[in-house]
Amino acid sequence: QVHLVQSGAEVRKPGVSVKVSCKASGYTFTDYAIHWVRQAPGQRLEWMGWINGGNGKTEYSQKLQGRVTITREISATTAYMELRSLKSEDTAVYYCARDQGRNLLGVWGQGTLVTVSS
Amino acid sequence: EIVLTQSPGTLSLSPGERATFSCRASQTVSSTYLAWYQQKPGQAPRLLIYGASTRATGVPDRFSGSGSGTDFTLTIIRLEPEDFAVYYCQQYDTSPTFGQGTKLEIK
Repeated sequence: QVHLVQSGAEVRKPGVSVKVSCKASGYTFTDYAIHWVRQAPGQRLEWMGWINGGNGKTEYSQKLQGRVTITREISATTAYMELRSLKSEDTAVYYCARDQGRNLLGVWGQGTLVTVSS
Repeated sequence: EIVLTQSPGTLSLSPGERATFSCRASQTVSSTYLAWYQQKPGQAPRLLIYGASTRATGVPDRFSGSGSGTDFTLTIIRLEPEDFAVYYCQQYDTSPTFGQGTKLEIK
């Protein structure tokens, strides 16, 4: 059974960075891409980017390009999302999700709350 | 960027009734690349429908999707208590975008 398990909640001050992990199990990690999606309080889901689990190719949303980096560690079957220069409006629940084919998000992690506050 | 607009914002219905959700896109979306998700409080979204009309594994047949071009619909016949949640549409024809969601609440 496919599972994505994310790291725990984080609290950061504005201007610093945060890195969230997503541990995958139950499938061949290199066969699928992993996406990151966030949901700010009361807002719609926002796609952030994805990484190809095999070749490491990435694509990011234009809005977050330059502030977000998605990486993966094949031996650990884990994907990571780092967001830099945090602002209060980055406060959100961050989800990883496994690609099911051309950006369709089939299985999701449980979510990680990131709070940005001074 | 393709903007998705969902209506209504909130739907108040009783168990056993029929629910209809609308999703309108700012430009044509290939029907192959339109999905619907269900999200309950404190949980991650769950994929319900993809390709506009194909149910994901394990999704009951009371859920159905339809539509093409810029107008898509999710229908739930005979609402069950566990169906009350927020529903989002998503296009994955281009960089993924989501609608703002429709909350289905118990009347």
